[in-house]
Amino acid sequence: DTGVSQDPRHKITKRGQNVTFRCDPISEHNRLYWYRQTLGQGPEFLTYFQNEAQLEKSRLLSDRFSAERPKGSFSTLEIQRTEQGDSAMYLCASSFFPRDSYNEQFFGPGTRLTVL
Amino acid sequence: AQSVTQLDSHVSVSEGTPVLLRCNYSSSYSPSLFWYVQHPNKGLQLLLKYTSAATLVKGINGFEAEFKKSETSFHLTKPSAHMSDAAEYFCVVSEPSGDYKLSFGAGTTVTVRA
Repeated sequence: DTGVSQDPRHKITKRGQNVTFRCDPISEHNRLYWYRQTLGQGPEFLTYFQNEAQLEKSRLLSDRFSAERPKGSFSTLEIQRTEQGDSAMYLCASSFFPRDSYNEQFFGPGTRLTVL
Repeated sequence: AQSVTQLDSHVSVSEGTPVLLRCNYSSSYSPSLFWYVQHPNKGLQLLLKYTSAATLVKGINGFEAEFKKSETSFHLTKPSAHMSDAAEYFCVVSEPSGDYKLSFGAGTTVTVRA
């Protein structure tokens, strides 16, 4: 399977703990995006990378959140001191820019985080 | 700034009848518009996209959408619903402003009655 993969698929943690998620994009894709989807809402943009450079971060991304893409391949999203409000589905998407005029993004299955 | 409003949070149809999901957008640029579908426990799948070519766009599984600039709308339709169409549908806008980040609507849940 050459699609976007995310690990783990599910994570249950206690408030105050740190968690880290991983995303493996489609291999030739140079852009990688993180989105967060809360229950009953559409996904919201968090941040994106072009190769290893993090080019934009949403105001939704508090100081407790950090994302990396060290070699321009896989990416990690870490949440420190988790809060119940962090419970959500975290989605990763990748694309090859500038292959086309609209930069189609391909999504992974997501990591569902539950903070108790 | 870009945004999307999906006018119906839930649509229920009988199998074999038409489906209409309504979407209005706001954009400062000439946007790209998409419809994505999300089945339970599955990833987001692209149904179709509008990128300033033909205003009537055909997608997978018999879905199509029409871009109407004067109405700032991008409604999704299907002539005959199938049980497998039961899912969450998202209307999405993206501006060619460098980041190409996607802005999603709140979603429309489609249920199909036998």
